[in-house]
Amino acid sequence: LAKTTQPISMDSYEGQEVNITCSHNNIATNDYITWYQQFPSQGPRFIIQGYKTKVTNEVASLFIPADRKSSTLSLPRVSLSDTAVYYCLVGNGGGGSQGNLIFGKGTKLSVKP
Amino acid sequence: DTEVTQTPKHLVMGMTNKKSLKCEQHMGHRAMYWYKQKAKKPPELMFVYSYEKLSINESVPSRFSPECPNSSLLNLHLHALQPEDSALYLCASSPGFGGPEGTQYFGPGTRLLVL
Repeated sequence: LAKTTQPISMDSYEGQEVNITCSHNNIATNDYITWYQQFPSQGPRFIIQGYKTKVTNEVASLFIPADRKSSTLSLPRVSLSDTAVYYCLVGNGGGGSQGNLIFGKGTKLSVKP
Repeated sequence: DTEVTQTPKHLVMGMTNKKSLKCEQHMGHRAMYWYKQKAKKPPELMFVYSYEKLSINESVPSRFSPECPNSSLLNLHLHALQPEDSALYLCASSPGFGGPEGTQYFGPGTRLLVL
């Protein structure tokens, strides 16, 4: 099971780019990296998933270096509504692996005006 | 339909009550999950169903009893709960397991208060 480590909290201002890094030193060959966003009293929401290099969608980018021991979620030009907890999960869910089902402590992002 | 729905939104129950939480998805997903989340903590996995069969039970006390009547429905039956069981109960589903197939879609949760 790949353990993940993220900063507990981060502060930013509206309009800035925010980068949240997740460490996963013992990531396995078949593991994917998935990020979720959660607002208070709501269910987590899928943001982005990747295996290697860079993935981009309409809300975020995910950068994964060649050794895959870390990953960085990049949120461009954040707004107040991006204030939430962001979770990084690592695993593949196959063969009994549950890494992609285990939430770490997450990073609480606070965006200020 | 790309939603996972959960009912009720809120539930208050006494320690001797029996109640059930309901979760529904119509995305054709083959995996369904129950998580428990305490305030300011990450979600904790409780149960995983794969093709309507229980595949993972994370050593959850027997006062929580899951049931999957069909591929779209997931229930969590509650009996003789303790006040420390008060939490947000989240249901999720995924197309399958592994990689993109394992991407989970979460419902809004049921806020449970045990008195």
